[in-house]
Amino acid sequence: EMVMTQSPATLSVSPGERATLSCRASQSISTNLAWYQHKPGQAPRLLIYGASTRATGIPARFSGSGSGTEFTLTISSLQSEDFAVYYCQEYNTWPRWMFGQGTKVEIK
Amino acid sequence: EVQLVESGGGLVQPGRSLRLSCVASGFTFDDYAMHWVRQAPGKGLEWVSGIAWNSGSIGYADSVKGRFTISRDNAKNSLYLQMNSLRPEDTALYFCVKGTVPTTRGGSDYWGQGTRVTVSP
Repeated sequence: EMVMTQSPATLSVSPGERATLSCRASQSISTNLAWYQHKPGQAPRLLIYGASTRATGIPARFSGSGSGTEFTLTISSLQSEDFAVYYCQEYNTWPRWMFGQGTKVEIK
Repeated sequence: EVQLVESGGGLVQPGRSLRLSCVASGFTFDDYAMHWVRQAPGKGLEWVSGIAWNSGSIGYADSVKGRFTISRDNAKNSLYLQMNSLRPEDTALYFCVKGTVPTTRGGSDYWGQGTRVTVSP
C-alpha cells in the first residue's frame, strides 16, 4: 500500500525566513503530487499540482520540486498568513488518493 | 467562483445511518469527478470515496467499503454520501472535493469547508 511520509511534523520558522517541507512516497508516483495549505475552519487550499506547478493565484514564494518518490515544498520568505498545516497528496494510485500526515508550520 | 457546500452532518448513534450532500456551483459539474475526504479530530486527511463524471467509475477506501455509497445527480449539481452502519471511528469532518478531470484518475483542486459527523452513543 502506498504510504506518504512528511517531514518534519512541525517546523518553527520566523517571518521572512525560508521553509522547506519534505514528502516521500513509498513507491514512485512520477509527478502526480499536490501540496495543500490548511488552516483551521477553512477549506484546504491547493498550492501546487504536478509536483511543481503553482495553482491559480498562488504567490511565487511557494515552489514545489521533485519526482518519483522525493518531493519538496519551499516557501521562500514566510509571511504571517503562511502559518498553517501543509499536506502532500498523491494522485497516482487510482482511484484513491493518499495524503501525508501533514507538517505544521508555526511561528518561531 | 467555485463553491462546494456540504450539509447533512450531525450526531448519530453507532450503527445508524446518515446522508451527506454537497451542492456545487461555479463550474460545469458534470465535467468532473467528485470525491469525499474526511479528517478525524486531531488527525490528517483521509480519502473516502470518488465518483467519475458519469458515475461509471466509483472507488471507496477499504475503511468504508460495503458501508458507504457515493452518488451524484448532475441535473442538481449535487454529490451525496450515504453512510450506513456508522462507527465511532467514522467521526470526522467530511469534505466535498472537486476533481480535476472527468475520471477518478486525476487530482483535486477545490474543497468545501466540510460538514461534521459525530458517531457516539
